[in-house]
Amino acid sequence: AQKITQTQPGMFVQEKEAVTLDCTYDTSDQSYGLFWYKQPSSGEMIFLIYQGSYDEQNATEGRYSLNFQKARKSANLVISASQLGDSAMYFCAMREGRYSSASKIIFGSGTRLSIRP
Amino acid sequence: GAVVSQHPSWVICKSGTSVKIECRSLDFQATTMFWYRQFPKQSLMLMATSNEGSKATYEQGVEKDKFLINHASLTLSTLTVTSAHPEDSSFYICSARVGPNTNTEAFFGQGTRLTVV
Repeated sequence: AQKITQTQPGMFVQEKEAVTLDCTYDTSDQSYGLFWYKQPSSGEMIFLIYQGSYDEQNATEGRYSLNFQKARKSANLVISASQLGDSAMYFCAMREGRYSSASKIIFGSGTRLSIRP
Repeated sequence: GAVVSQHPSWVICKSGTSVKIECRSLDFQATTMFWYRQFPKQSLMLMATSNEGSKATYEQGVEKDKFLINHASLTLSTLTVTSAHPEDSSFYICSARVGPNTNTEAFFGQGTRLTVV
């Protein structure tokens, strides 16, 4: 069965520093997708970045990059130059199996990131 | 990105009553929508997959008679919590992906915070 593991329940980082949020996954599928979402206290889920299992290059979206190490089954999120507004809950997620609009997405337990001024 | 609208954003109801939550895709058609439940400080747990024009697929352990899902059109899915009890109090959030075959992110509604008193 597919599984997402986030081992950091909480992290504190100084403003403007870079931060890495860990995520490991387990799947027997060859084709899968990995996502990172941000959830502020309001509850909304904000999409940050996506990495496909066949993508050869690490995904990047502005200050966000995904350190994808397929052999180790890890998909860590790197936030460069952290900002106070980055304080939120961060979830790593995985789409099961071959992509389609019906494929389920499962979530890790999340990491609460707090940025210190 | 695509917009998913969820209503209401919060609701308080008396124990024993039923509550309906709506999830609409505003600018795309969603043949499949997903309903999640999130307890405080926990991850999103997939409850069911809502399929337009057919029965929903429920995850193991989710009572289908308790959580009624109707997906009557390509832009609307509803979740009805029947005979609600205090233990049903939670944050419910829906999502959809732009189909039919896509590896894009799932778009989420704003979520509904249900409190049963």
